[in-house]
Amino acid sequence: QSVLTQPPSVSGAPGQRVIISCSGRSSNIGTNTVNWYQHLPGAAPKALIYSNDQRPSGVPDRFSGSKSGTSASLAISGLQSEDEADYYCAGWDDSLNGDVFGTGTKVTVL
Amino acid sequence: EVHLVESGGDLVQPGRSLRLSCVASGFSFDDYAMHWVRQGPGKGLEWVSGINWDSGSVGYADSVKGRFTISRDNAKNSLFLQLSDLRPEDTGLYFCVKDSGAYHYYSGRFLDSWGPGTLVTV
Repeated sequence: QSVLTQPPSVSGAPGQRVIISCSGRSSNIGTNTVNWYQHLPGAAPKALIYSNDQRPSGVPDRFSGSKSGTSASLAISGLQSEDEADYYCAGWDDSLNGDVFGTGTKVTVL
Repeated sequence: EVHLVESGGDLVQPGRSLRLSCVASGFSFDDYAMHWVRQGPGKGLEWVSGINWDSGSVGYADSVKGRFTISRDNAKNSLFLQLSDLRPEDTGLYFCVKDSGAYHYYSGRFLDSWGPGTLVTV
């Protein structure tokens, strides 16, 4: 049972901007940094954003992250067909003493 | 380039045991914490377990605590997960994952490299 809540799905036309929300609590997002992962069909998950708003090398700047209080968001600008994937927020939870993942959001490019 | 290859996944009966392995290459294995993350059929990602660079600290999800044991052999660049008392809800693809830091339990780190996974069916 995930402690980070995301919308099941979001969609947008090519070129549009979509935002994925991630809602947590004081023991996770409220205290610790948030990471985002992209999971393309048939592939291994990939780190997209770390420490709330940092991009690993090679990740396009179309992807951006932010955090406020006990919530975080991932924005995808200039949506492309290859962005169709599942996206997960994640981070450390002080109460559970472990990493936690969000429920996941499926992004569809119309 | 980081390379992680899992093995050991199989079809097993409930209550039985299984040992997963992961061989790492392309980085200094003994400098980094490692994790296992799983994905059940039609479900999202679930963190299973993590271990520090020196095996000095380990952590488990509540769903597997007392049944699974994580370990590593730095001399062989290998990570392991011993699965015991398996249940149907343990079915899924198990990923071996490299941490960005040496410790599995602090904020500011992330899971920076993932293997393709090995399938466990209970």
